[in-house]
Amino acid sequence: EPEVTQTPSHQVTQMGQEVILRCVPISNHLYFYWYRQILGQKVEFLVSFYNNEISEKSEIFDDQFSVERPDGSNFTLKIRSTKLEDSAMYFCASGTQGGAGELFFGEGSRLTVL
Amino acid sequence: DAKTTQPPSMDCAEGRAANLPCNHSTISGNEYVYWYRQIHSQGPQYIIHGLKNNETNEMASLIITEDRKSSTLILPHATLRDTAVYYCIVRALQGAQKLVFGQGTRLTINP
Repeated sequence: EPEVTQTPSHQVTQMGQEVILRCVPISNHLYFYWYRQILGQKVEFLVSFYNNEISEKSEIFDDQFSVERPDGSNFTLKIRSTKLEDSAMYFCASGTQGGAGELFFGEGSRLTVL
Repeated sequence: DAKTTQPPSMDCAEGRAANLPCNHSTISGNEYVYWYRQIHSQGPQYIIHGLKNNETNEMASLIITEDRKSSTLILPHATLRDTAVYYCIVRALQGAQKLVFGQGTRLTINP
């Protein structure tokens, strides 16, 4: 069964460093998303991406964050200068039909900022 | 913010049916009802979704009331592996509509 894969599974970084989280969505999917979950809290939407541009972003997704689909297969989330409060699990998701279809989530990348 | 209301926790005996309620009284005509679950800190897993008719798949059944203001997810024969947080989400049909997660219901299956 096709799945969304994310790397790395766990990354530890120093505050102020840049981090790139990578996702390989399911191959025929057109809609891509990043979510995050701070330990013990709910899953929060960050950004959606369709047709090579951002469709929607949340207040969390400020200028420190960016997304890219550089080669038609990978979907990346970059955090330019990490803060302690960026420590969280980051989930990538992809889907085929926008609101009418299910989203498939990856297993997540745990980011720890020291 | 999430547009659904769910009980924070529920318990169910292994082998019994687990019935998880959800209130979505402000649902719009163009919004589906989705159910996802999250086991430990794994990625959310899709279970089922529906618009107005009842739906069934290999995982669960979804019963939506006629006025669409509430729904119930039914796990017919719960196992220990069904212990998870279950999220009921309403989501519009059009475009790259995001899923908005609330706190969900923490379902514990007891042996």
